[in-house]
Amino acid sequence: AQKVTQAQTEISVVEKEDVTLDCVYETRDTTYYLFWYKQPPSGELVFLIRRNSFDEQNEISGRYSWNFQKSTSSFNFTITASQVVDSAVYFCALSLTTGGNEKLTFGTGTRLTIIP
Amino acid sequence: DSGVTQTPKHLITATGQRVTLRCSPRSGDLSVYWYQQSLDQGLQFLIQYYNGEERAKGNILERFSAQQFPDLHSELNLSSLELGDSALYFCASSEGQGGQPQHFGDGTRLSIL
Repeated sequence: AQKVTQAQTEISVVEKEDVTLDCVYETRDTTYYLFWYKQPPSGELVFLIRRNSFDEQNEISGRYSWNFQKSTSSFNFTITASQVVDSAVYFCALSLTTGGNEKLTFGTGTRLTIIP
Repeated sequence: DSGVTQTPKHLITATGQRVTLRCSPRSGDLSVYWYQQSLDQGLQFLIQYYNGEERAKGNILERFSAQQFPDLHSELNLSSLELGDSALYFCASSEGQGGQPQHFGDGTRLSIL
């Protein structure tokens, strides 16, 4: 069975600080995908990034960066120079590619509050 | 805008009642997924349809059922509602190939009184 753990329930940082959200996953499959989603106070779920298990390259998109390390089964998310608009709940998720079941297994989320 | 449309946005009803939630996927997406988000269970996968056929089932109660129609929109039917069914219900869609990102609708907030 798959499992995603986001140990940080809540994080608060002052605006412009950098912050890293941790994600650790468990799966026996060798082929899988990892995702991050953002849920702002308005409630919708916004797709941020996808990473497949064969691609360990780190990725940067503006102020966002992701660090995927298979050796530690982690897929951490860093926001640089945080802004108030980054305040949201962030979910890490895992999906497999076998058996035709692409369901997402979500972590419990990390609530990030950026203090102005 | 994700391109996934869910209606209604809010639904208030009483215990024992039945409701239907509707979802229109993004243009071109063949897979539809339903998820439930509640305070105690978090985000849980309920069911997936691909091109009209059920593809995978998760933690979906027997009182709940779903279907995907020929035009690819989907409906989630919840019956004999209980207080514990109060939650945010999300629909997501994807192309249906493994690993493709799922794009979520804004959700339907169901409140059982």
